[in-house]
Amino acid sequence: EVVVTQSPATLSLSPGERATLSCRTSQSVLTYLVWYQQKPGQAPRLLISDVFNRATGIPARFSASGSGTNFTLTISSLEPEDSAVYYCQQRNNWPLTFGGGTKVELK
Amino acid sequence: EVHVLESGGALVQPGGSLRLSCGASGFIFKNYGMTWVRQAPGQGLEWVSSIDGNTGDTYYADTVRGRFTISRDNSKDTLFLQMNSLTVEDTAIYFCAKLSGFNAYEPLERWGQGTRVTVSS
Repeated sequence: EVVVTQSPATLSLSPGERATLSCRTSQSVLTYLVWYQQKPGQAPRLLISDVFNRATGIPARFSASGSGTNFTLTISSLEPEDSAVYYCQQRNNWPLTFGGGTKVELK
Repeated sequence: EVHVLESGGALVQPGGSLRLSCGASGFIFKNYGMTWVRQAPGQGLEWVSSIDGNTGDTYYADTVRGRFTISRDNSKDTLFLQMNSLTVEDTAIYFCAKLSGFNAYEPLERWGQGTRVTVSS
């Protein structure tokens, strides 16, 4: 099983600041890494698939990079509505596995 | 507009069974893979099971293999999850998701709001 590790567990930043979230996998998943956003009491939402592909309606301030085992989600300038938990998921190997999430809090 | 809507969650005793349903609309159901993901109270996301579009090939997490069965009725645009031999560790919100393509390993493109399953005596 591919273990997916996200860091930090919590990120506390102010609006307008840049957020950098890390996702690491225990073995290479090439670029088959997906990011989701989950706000409190809501279902998760697809943000970015296969590192580079922003989903429909996702603002350009969200971007991702990486390949192999190291990946990054960047929110260039935080907006109040970006307060959420962000999960990464690998889809290169069965079973599909998620990271434990990074909670982004806005000060 | 694409919609998926789960139903069937309930309080069930350990050892019991439950069948979840997920109704789909706004897309050609048979052409897309579908997935169940669960989230235990206060915890992260756990993939449970996926099914290919049309071919019906299925995939399971080790934690549910042999107890849960995923299936789909393409004539009714509905996805199912039959859950048997339930344990307290199965307590979670169960989300249904439409995948972005035919294959079961595609990204989870659209999620339902979830249905709550509680296993308790």
